[in-house]
Amino acid sequence: RKEVEQDPGPFNVPEGATVAFNCTYSNSASQSFFWYRQDCRKEPKLLMSVYSSGNEDGRFTAQLNRASQYISLLIRDSKLSDSATYLCAQPQDDKIIFGKGTRLHILP
Amino acid sequence: DGGITQSPKYLFRKEGQNVTLSCEQNLNHDAMYWYRQDPGQGLRLIYYSQIVNDFQKGDIAEGYSVSREKKESFPLTVTSAQKNPTAFYLCASSTGTGYTEAFFGQGTRLTVV
Repeated sequence: RKEVEQDPGPFNVPEGATVAFNCTYSNSASQSFFWYRQDCRKEPKLLMSVYSSGNEDGRFTAQLNRASQYISLLIRDSKLSDSATYLCAQPQDDKIIFGKGTRLHILP
Repeated sequence: DGGITQSPKYLFRKEGQNVTLSCEQNLNHDAMYWYRQDPGQGLRLIYYSQIVNDFQKGDIAEGYSVSREKKESFPLTVTSAQKNPTAFYLCASSTGTGYTEAFFGQGTRLTVV
């Protein structure tokens, strides 16, 4: 099975800083990728979709690097409320495969 | 409002009992999925279904069973054969085209007592 890999963290970042983390994938056939946010003991919620040209939504920017087979998530001007686990996901055949997530702690 | 509904939110099971977790969606999605999440771990795929009356095993199907008799419903049965059933169970759905995101229910937290 082709994997989706993430650094588990935790990333401890002061409020207001910029933080970025990556997700590597091995199935090069995928055309789309997704970033989800999961709060403790809650379900994952879609944060951003990532296609060939990347995506930006306010303080969040997602990029796709096909040559190196990774997607990235950049969070600018981080807020305390950004503290969560961030999961990347990749459709593979008829399934959707998730990474194990990166834990982010924003420090006051 | 459209969405995915899982019930119950919390479930306690005695060892040796089968339990069924409900998942219903009104998003008109073709594909539905069941994942298991253990503390501090990622999502592991149990079963998935792309169309009614058809489903496939995921990575950890042993000890679980599913049915897909209706497009809206994809119940998961945790059988007594599942040795470590205590976990957070998440149901998701997508349009199933292979390029679209999945949306999740609120999850069922199962505890074996």
